[in-house]
Amino acid sequence: DTEVTQTPKHLVMGMTNKKSLKCEQHMGHRAMYWYKQKAKKPPELMFVYSYEKLSINESVPSRFSPECPNSSLLNLHLHALQPEDSALYLCASSQGRAMGTEAFFGQGTRLTVV
Amino acid sequence: AQSVTQLDSHVSVSEGTPVLLRCNYSSSYSPSLFWYVQHPNKGLQLLLKYTSAATLVKGINGFEAEFKKSETSFHLTKPSAHMSDAAEYFCVVRFNQAGTALIFGKGTTLSVSS
Repeated sequence: DTEVTQTPKHLVMGMTNKKSLKCEQHMGHRAMYWYKQKAKKPPELMFVYSYEKLSINESVPSRFSPECPNSSLLNLHLHALQPEDSALYLCASSQGRAMGTEAFFGQGTRLTVV
Repeated sequence: AQSVTQLDSHVSVSEGTPVLLRCNYSSSYSPSLFWYVQHPNKGLQLLLKYTSAATLVKGINGFEAEFKKSETSFHLTKPSAHMSDAAEYFCVVRFNQAGTALIFGKGTTLSVSS
């Protein structure tokens, strides 16, 4: 199984809502990532978890709150988002963060903030 | 500074003709290099990777890439384009430092006409 599963596939939320994005992998990978991708742009790294600990936060606003409950799950909690936060949110995992380790990506959650 | 540059934002080819997507990197360290493909509204799929073994790397769907250290390049090629190859292609680098995440190029849109 080389799959990273993200739910939901689509999400529309108001600026006062609280919602969560979920990501799951069963490949035994110990590094998990959140990326944000705007239209016609490359993915931008948001967070990296390594062995369930947050190791990289790319200066992401606090309205995005990541959580790694266990080695298979990664969540992204959303609160008080802005319309400019509308984007495709991609989750990825890799065996580690050493040289040569590729990341496996989920299909993404298309988020629209209204 | 470490960076990855995709030299063409858009490449157009006819079906059955060769494909060349260009990528250069800049780094003081030895990198691992990857090519990913993204079809519209989809996640990213790994095409191939270079990890300091053979310099000519074969990937899925007939794609291959050659690592040239002297030119700091990792260009992606395919002998004969197919309509289904139309997509966004990203050259991605992981540099030889502990704990680095993947760094994306800006992407190249490949169009294939019949």
